[in-house]
Amino acid sequence: NAGVTQTPKFQVLKTGQSMTLQCAQDMNHEYMSWYRQDPGMGLRLIHYSVGAGITDQGEVPNGYNVSRSTTEDFPLRLLSAAPSQTSVYFCASSTRRGHNEQFFGPGTRLTVL
Amino acid sequence: AQRVTQPEKLLSVFKGAPVELKCNYSYSGSPELFWYVQYSRQRLQLLLRHISRESIKGFTADLNKGETSFHLKKPFAQEEDSAMYYCALTGAGSYQLTFGKGTKLSVIP
Repeated sequence: NAGVTQTPKFQVLKTGQSMTLQCAQDMNHEYMSWYRQDPGMGLRLIHYSVGAGITDQGEVPNGYNVSRSTTEDFPLRLLSAAPSQTSVYFCASSTRRGHNEQFFGPGTRLTVL
Repeated sequence: AQRVTQPEKLLSVFKGAPVELKCNYSYSGSPELFWYVQYSRQRLQLLLRHISRESIKGFTADLNKGETSFHLKKPFAQEEDSAMYYCALTGAGSYQLTFGKGTKLSVIP
């Protein structure tokens, strides 16, 4: 199993550009989520999904869109990138039960100029 | 609202010294607490969870509901313990994890 994979590893955008961060998992996990990691701020939840076709907002959803058309994939879209979105983005997945381990992807380091 | 507080941004200890990483939480129901660790250039991974009452890599953590704490302890620090440590909380039956801001542990040789 590859676990949780994310592409790209690095990305530089100009303000106003759009892009999609890809996340996929091959563990048949129902729950998937996106976090951003900023120095001194820890990890903050952006969006999450409890299954295909179901998504919801986390703590910091503004400027980001998600969709979950399959169990495996959970892409994160930036419609109009801003410098405040410069961050490291992590995707995670877990089974339905909350006390089970969340498995994290390797992260995408995004810089918005 | 649920909240996790890690009061120390950075903790430096000498090799062989005891380590205690502090974590306090705020949650109105029955929480489930975790410690996640991120070693340099590696992805975030689960270290331990309170429900398992286990010791991983010599680390233990006890949930103290009276003090609303879940401190991470190890009696003798090793250089390979140097990493970023995050305390996290979820509610029973919930999927969402709330993370603290993290503590960077540096073990001095």
